[in-house]
Amino acid sequence: NAGVTQTPKFQVLKTGQSMTLQCAQDMNHEYMSWYRQDPGMGLRLIHYSVGAGITDQGEVPNGYNVSRSTTEDFPLRLLSAAPSQTSVYFCASSYRTGGGNTQYFGPGTRLTVL
Amino acid sequence: LAKTTQPISMDSYEGQEVNITCSHNNIATNDYITWYQQFPSQGPRFIIQGYKTKVTNEVASLFIPADRKSSTLSLPRVSLSDTAVYYCLVGDMASGTYKYIFGTGTRLKVLA
Repeated sequence: NAGVTQTPKFQVLKTGQSMTLQCAQDMNHEYMSWYRQDPGMGLRLIHYSVGAGITDQGEVPNGYNVSRSTTEDFPLRLLSAAPSQTSVYFCASSYRTGGGNTQYFGPGTRLTVL
Repeated sequence: LAKTTQPISMDSYEGQEVNITCSHNNIATNDYITWYQQFPSQGPRFIIQGYKTKVTNEVASLFIPADRKSSTLSLPRVSLSDTAVYYCLVGDMASGTYKYIFGTGTRLKVLA
């Protein structure tokens, strides 16, 4: 298993540009989520999905869109990048939610918006 | 909101036992408590998980009292490589759907 993979590892954007951060998992996990982590801070939930076709907003959803057309993939779209979106983005997945399920995290995408 | 509360930071010396306590007053009846470790520039890594009483694995122990409103991560004989941020995590059902929201975490610094 490759686990949770994220691409790209690094990205530099100009203000106003759009892009998609890719996240994929090969563990047949139903639950997937996106977090952002600003320098020296904790992880904040952006969007999450409890299964294909089902997504919901987390703590800081503004400026981001998600979709979940397959179990494996959960891309995060930045609609119009702003300097405030400079951060490290982590994707995570778990088999289900609740119970004894554990989240597995990807290596992260480091995004800089100029 | 099933948020967690932890000390912001802790210092310890090599070889000592470190205990980090997390408060989760609104934990759901069927929810587990999970602890993660995060090094700079890496994603969080699972350490240990438990539901009640005590759980032990090769790297840590987790103590959960009967009311489950708190938990304590115990790291025996820490080394410099244990310097990291530690998060406890429980589920959040405030909006009607289950999700995981992290608290601030505890920044542990191990000194030589």
